[in-house]
Amino acid sequence: KNEVEQSPQNLTAQEGEFITINCSYSVGISALHWLQQHPGGGIVSLFMLSSGKKKHGRLIATINIQEKHSSLHITASHPRDSAVYICAVRVDSNYQLIWGAGTKLIIKP
Amino acid sequence: NAGVTQTPKFRILKIGQSMTLQCAQDMNHNYMYWYRQDPGMGLKLIYYSVGAGITDKGEVPNGYNVSRSTTEDFPLRLELAAPSQTSVYFCASSEWHFGELFFGEGSRLTVL
Repeated sequence: KNEVEQSPQNLTAQEGEFITINCSYSVGISALHWLQQHPGGGIVSLFMLSSGKKKHGRLIATINIQEKHSSLHITASHPRDSAVYICAVRVDSNYQLIWGAGTKLIIKP
Repeated sequence: NAGVTQTPKFRILKIGQSMTLQCAQDMNHNYMYWYRQDPGMGLKLIYYSVGAGITDKGEVPNGYNVSRSTTEDFPLRLELAAPSQTSVYFCASSEWHFGELFFGEGSRLTVL
């Protein structure tokens, strides 16, 4: 079993829909990152959080440390949100990040 | 600001050839990382550095070498390229251990 699991692997939705992407992990962590990778390949950091909730524009990230689970929400989704969304966790004990395999999101107009 | 700059963006190598992927950042970040991304897989850490003159192995260091002579530059060297090294390589940096990550645009390497 992977230490970081994302679901769903693929998600197709219509423009305007509310999107939820989930990330579950099995290790003790000090922080969790959400990143976005566009079809061209570039990776951009969206959020880094260790507790609670963060919001930036139409994006909201939450984390529940006790349940070892995080969600990324997109409100009023738009075709430009189409990308791969990646969850990565910073393990308590070392410098390394453990990466999820990503969720491929397609928003249709 | 340029952020993190990687070169080249694309490269085809023959088995046994060597090459260096260049990475430079202009944010004065201490932490720098090299990752590889294989299709459908999460990023794997190859090497990382916590400052000039300090490097350490990640999960998949075999077949690679790095150096960090300056804060800005963190080149990744592939010795004796093998088909298993066909991948997309990303360089990243962060200001501190728990800081936001900044990525280069990636280098797509094919070994034939």
